[in-house]
Amino acid sequence: GAVVSQHPSWVICKSGTSVKIECRSLDFQATTMFWYRQFPKQSLMLMATSNEGSKATYEQGVEKDKFLINHASLTLSTLTVTSAHPEDSSFYICSVGQSSNQPQHFGDGTRLSIL
Amino acid sequence: GEDVEQSLFLSVREGDSSVINCTYTDSSSTYLYWYKQEPGAGLQLLTYIFSNMDMKQDQRLTVLLNKKDKHLSLRIADTQTGDSAIYFCAESMGLGGGGNKLTFGTGTQLKVEL
Repeated sequence: GAVVSQHPSWVICKSGTSVKIECRSLDFQATTMFWYRQFPKQSLMLMATSNEGSKATYEQGVEKDKFLINHASLTLSTLTVTSAHPEDSSFYICSVGQSSNQPQHFGDGTRLSIL
Repeated sequence: GEDVEQSLFLSVREGDSSVINCTYTDSSSTYLYWYKQEPGAGLQLLTYIFSNMDMKQDQRLTVLLNKKDKHLSLRIADTQTGDSAIYFCAESMGLGGGGNKLTFGTGTQLKVEL
């Protein structure tokens, strides 16, 4: 069964709206979660590393005030796209690292469309 | 920085073998992965290989690693229409925990024709 649950799977909203995406680890506690962004027909680009109980680590070029990450518990990380605009439309995918000897598991992704 | 390259497109006939290639630049890569992505879906881990291995086989999938040339390949035997998808190779310094980031390749679109 699924190891990582990502919600919602699809969001359509108006420009200026803030959108929250949840990533849940179902079977284990995860101190680290990753958020990726994928544009159509392109590869995944790491946006940030979400660390439980501390600030997220953002990749170069990713606006931390635009993409707010909260990892308040060992099973939940959230990504909030603040004041979203059409250029924020993309496919957002989270992944969870179970342990040092297991590969990452990915959520099913969230398709965000900003009108 | 790290760079992972793949050919963009591969077309094969059903029943034939598919070989998807990947080259990477980071010699410190410890783990190399193959993921499958179907339209509108997330990523499914197919297999991964530790850098001290040359080959790994799992049912219809065979992974070959040439560490000297930094070349990774995925062979799918008896390719089926359900194998049509985008395949990403990826590399990391470590596995899932400890904040080990994945660097993904550009993806190869596999099309299986009848």
